[in-house]
Amino acid sequence: AQTVTQSQPEMSVQEAETVTLSCTYDTSENNYYLFWYKQPPSRQMILVIRQEAYKQQNATENRFSVNFQKAAKSFSLKISDSQLGDTAMYFCAFMKRYSGAGSYQLTFGKGTKLSVIP
Amino acid sequence: GAVVSQHPSRVICKSGTSVKIECRSLDFQATTMFWYRQFPKKSLMLMATSNEGSKATYEQGVEKDKFLINHASLTLSTLTVTSAHPEDSSFYICSARDRYGPRVYEQYFGPGTRLTVT
Repeated sequence: AQTVTQSQPEMSVQEAETVTLSCTYDTSENNYYLFWYKQPPSRQMILVIRQEAYKQQNATENRFSVNFQKAAKSFSLKISDSQLGDTAMYFCAFMKRYSGAGSYQLTFGKGTKLSVIP
Repeated sequence: GAVVSQHPSRVICKSGTSVKIECRSLDFQATTMFWYRQFPKKSLMLMATSNEGSKATYEQGVEKDKFLINHASLTLSTLTVTSAHPEDSSFYICSARDRYGPRVYEQYFGPGTRLTVT
């Protein structure tokens, strides 16, 4: 079974500053995906960024980037130029790549509540 | 594209009654749908995975007779909470996977349903 750990229950950042959310995971799988999801107060889950384990290059999406360290099983999210709209719960998630039971199921961390301060 | 709707968004029912929650994929065929439960300020807990035309696979600890899941078509899955009790009050979220889409790994989330049992 996979586990995902987010060690920061809450974080805050000043508007326009940069913040990094940490995530570690444990798995015996070699082929998998990692995700960061955002859940704003509306509670709609929104995909922020995705990383495929076989890719060494870190994923980036505009102001969002990840630091993927496969050997260390670490997957942190960096948010640059933080905006008020970034205020939300952020969940790190693991997905085993296809084949076998549990394929395409997401395992979520407990989340980090991020507050962007004006 | 890739929109998932849930109905109702909020429901209040009396203890002992049953309530049905619908999850629809609006613009794609959802070969697999997932049902999650989220307690206040907590992470998403996978309840079950349903594939179109077959029985749902429930996670350990989830009562299949209490949480009935039907995935009768490629665009609709339903979760029925039978004989609801106050402890069933929670936020229920569905997600859907487009097997034939360009991103077979991605789950598209519905907006959630808040169930309150009085």
